[in-house]
Amino acid sequence: QKEVEQNSGPLSVPEGAIASLNCTYSDRGSQSFFWYRQYSGKSPELIMFIYSNGDKEDGRFTAQLNKASQYVSLLIRDSQPSDSATYLCAVGLNFGNEKLTFGTGTRLTIIP
Amino acid sequence: DTEVTQTPKHLVMGMTNKKSLKCEQHMGHRAMYWYKQKAKKPPELMFVYSYEKLSINESVPSRFSPECPNSSLLNLHLHALQPEDSALYLCASSQVSEETQYFGPGTRLLVL
Repeated sequence: QKEVEQNSGPLSVPEGAIASLNCTYSDRGSQSFFWYRQYSGKSPELIMFIYSNGDKEDGRFTAQLNKASQYVSLLIRDSQPSDSATYLCAVGLNFGNEKLTFGTGTRLTIIP
Repeated sequence: DTEVTQTPKHLVMGMTNKKSLKCEQHMGHRAMYWYKQKAKKPPELMFVYSYEKLSINESVPSRFSPECPNSSLLNLHLHALQPEDSALYLCASSQVSEETQYFGPGTRLLVL
């Protein structure tokens, strides 16, 4: 059974610091990896996706993928109070319209 | 434009009612999804449509009936729901060749 695990938190980070969110997955066949941000009462919003080993940067966000160790992480630089949300890691097999397996999410709180 | 719209935003219904949720996207995506999300849980896949055909049904009770009238529209017909069906219902869409899913704002359903 495919599993995706995240530390549920809450993770508290001072404003301006780097927030580091981690995700591990069990299926070695996984090929696509996504980070969604979800504010309380709202729907998930896609932040990043990554397919290849290494780092992918987009503004203040960096996704890191290590397929050998089966983990994917999200770094948020210069954390802002508006980054306070639940971050969902999702993993797919990249066959197209396959279902994504979601982690339970990490609740991040940025402390002003 | 990465917008998926859903109506209504909120819905209250009795256990004997029949209602429908609607989802629309104009991104040219040919895969559309229904998810159910309970509080503090990740989204749970219900149905996947690919090229307007049902491709995945995650053993959802028959009181939920999906319909995809065309490539832009997805409906979820509700009948004889139970209070435990109260949740946030999310629609998402993607290209069939990709797994990057974009979520709509959701419909918050309360069954009395």
